[in-house]
Amino acid sequence: ETGVTQTPRHLVMGMTNKKSLKCEQHLGHNAMYWYKQSAKKPLELMFVYNFKEQTENNSVPSRFSPECPNSSHLFLHLHTLQPEDSALYLCASSPATSGSSTDTQYFGPGTRLTVL
Amino acid sequence: GENVEQHPSTLSVQEGDSAVIKCTYSDSASNYFPWYKQELGKRPQLIIDIRSNVGEKKDQRIAVTLNKTAKHFSLHITETQPEDSAVYFCAARKGQAGTALIFGKGTTLSVSS
Repeated sequence: ETGVTQTPRHLVMGMTNKKSLKCEQHLGHNAMYWYKQSAKKPLELMFVYNFKEQTENNSVPSRFSPECPNSSHLFLHLHTLQPEDSALYLCASSPATSGSSTDTQYFGPGTRLTVL
Repeated sequence: GENVEQHPSTLSVQEGDSAVIKCTYSDSASNYFPWYKQELGKRPQLIIDIRSNVGEKKDQRIAVTLNKTAKHFSLHITETQPEDSAVYFCAARKGQAGTALIFGKGTTLSVSS
């Protein structure tokens, strides 16, 4: 349960605030992901990083800005968010690029974000 | 774009009964299909997965079947227990390579004793 950690666990922010979500993995993985989980939508993939390089941006608005300084850390910088951005933001990691034993994604506990 | 449909959205069973959740995917190149279980207030956790080179995989009370021709796969839980109550998500790899997954909308399974 401590392989992928996220901070903070809860965040309330106004629309004009700037905040950052942090994810850290202690599993030696090289791929990291940001997902958005809303009440009535599936897990929505936002960004994918492989070996610190962004390999996927799933048409995410620019008010969400990811940063991956190394394979163990992933950030999501937030600015001028909208109330509809309120959701659970989940981070995940996996060993590497695709292969027979490297596909499993391990999730963090998530950050519950509320935008007022 | 790629899409994963999951049914039903809710499923209620009696303890000891079987539960089946079905998913269909649109990307014919997908070759990896995991299932995740998310208990209330907790993170999603992998419970079983299957790759396109096999048609069925079983792990104790849980099994997954894959029909590549029809592009659908199913999760089967036998002898359900109250602790099986959770939201279950199916997913399919986006394309043949890479690591991105496309998730279904989830099935809320309730097992009553």
